Amino acid sequence: GAGVSQSPSNKVTEKGKDVELRCDPISGHTALYWYRQSLGQGLEFLIYFQGNSAPDKSGLPSDRFSAERTGGSVSTLTIQRTQQEDSAVYLCASSPEGGPYSTDTQYFGPGTRLTVL
Amino acid sequence: QKEVEQDPGPLSVPEGAIVSLNCTYSNSAFQYFMWYRQYSRKGPELLMYTYSSGNKEDGRFTAQVDKSSKYISLFIRDSQPSDSATYLCAAMKTSYDKVIFGPGTSLSVIP
Repeated sequence: GAGVSQSPSNKVTEKGKDVELRCDPISGHTALYWYRQSLGQGLEFLIYFQGNSAPDKSGLPSDRFSAERTGGSVSTLTIQRTQQEDSAVYLCASSPEGGPYSTDTQYFGPGTRLTVL
Repeated sequence: QKEVEQDPGPLSVPEGAIVSLNCTYSNSAFQYFMWYRQYSRKGPELLMYTYSSGNKEDGRFTAQVDKSSKYISLFIRDSQPSDSATYLCAAMKTSYDKVIFGPGTSLSVIP
């Protein structure tokens, strides 16, 4: 079946512009996660959704970052007034159910590579 | 100090070699330990996870955790070129806690 998909695959933007990143999780998966991966930094947790609610937003780096999920499916990560330090690969993952960060396998999408000039 | 550390490599080995990938961690509360494999331009995929200390084997892969020294390892036997990827170790305190990832080790298996 279809895996997690993300769009766009690449995004180049100018400093100060807003960007929207989209994640389509595996159908039926209730949990959805956003991570950021910078070169040599590993995966940085951003936010977790269970259904449409986000019990933990503590990983969002600043108030320029926001995310929403609608219909228990698609999620959008929005970055306002982008800065050069926002350049990274943004990864989305989904899992069937279970605890917020359980070892219930997370299936990752291919990521969106964001470059802020 | 990062909570989970690993040598970024790159590590290059000949096909058929035994590969040893290692991580250290600083938080003694970590109980769950995972290894993810990430191919270039792809998202990570979970390879193995273990709870507390001990060994876990799955095919050519063996994960080992030593909580006394805060050291976790992944061994790959009979390495193949298809094993060439970045390997991320990860840890968490409970199954309801954030997963903390290491920066990853880049592995190349040369035919």
